[in-house]
Amino acid sequence: DGGITQSPKYLFRKEGQNVTLSCEQNLNHDAMYWYRQDPGQGLRLIYYSQIVNDFQKGDIAEGYSVSREKKESFPLTVTSAQKNPTAFYLCASSIPQQETQYFGPGTRLLVL
Amino acid sequence: DAKTTQPPSMDCAEGRAANLPCNHSTISGNEYVYWYRQIHSQGPQYIIHGLKNNETNEMASLIITEDRKSSTLILPHATLRDTAVYYCIVRVVAFGNEKLTFGTGTRLTIIP
Repeated sequence: DGGITQSPKYLFRKEGQNVTLSCEQNLNHDAMYWYRQDPGQGLRLIYYSQIVNDFQKGDIAEGYSVSREKKESFPLTVTSAQKNPTAFYLCASSIPQQETQYFGPGTRLLVL
Repeated sequence: DAKTTQPPSMDCAEGRAANLPCNHSTISGNEYVYWYRQIHSQGPQYIIHGLKNNETNEMASLIITEDRKSSTLILPHATLRDTAVYYCIVRVVAFGNEKLTFGTGTRLTIIP
């Protein structure tokens, strides 16, 4: 089955710790995205990548980092600089300039 | 991308048509209207999109007014599984403008 997988479903972070959220797609899409969603709010773009080895900051990139070494993978690291990381994180992919983005099931990050 | 306005919540009886309005009075000529929905704690799901003509697919119909300043998403025979938050998004489909800007959407509740 083609699709986007995110792992883990739930992730706990201690104060001062970096954590990495996984996003993998087998849809052969060039573009991938990371969004953050807070309770009762819409999605906000963190980072996006339109091609391997290239990525751009979204609206709320501070405290996050990404890499795009492979077409299939776009991991997001939540660094200790992100002071309010508790949120629902969503990964998406698309063919650039295509009409639709396809979303993964999300990872819920909680701070201990 | 143009701003959209949606009612925060709506109810609809099961089996009836659900009509979800969206206002986008500042839409420009090359901006598409998209609809996504998000079932609780899942990733958003693409429903339908259009530029100026009415569109229909297996999930829904999209009616865009002639002046393009508003649109309506129609779910013809709502079921309990259609309970979700519905997002209306306006965007230009162009390379380098891949961002989807999600507002707070309309929370649709299907009543048995």
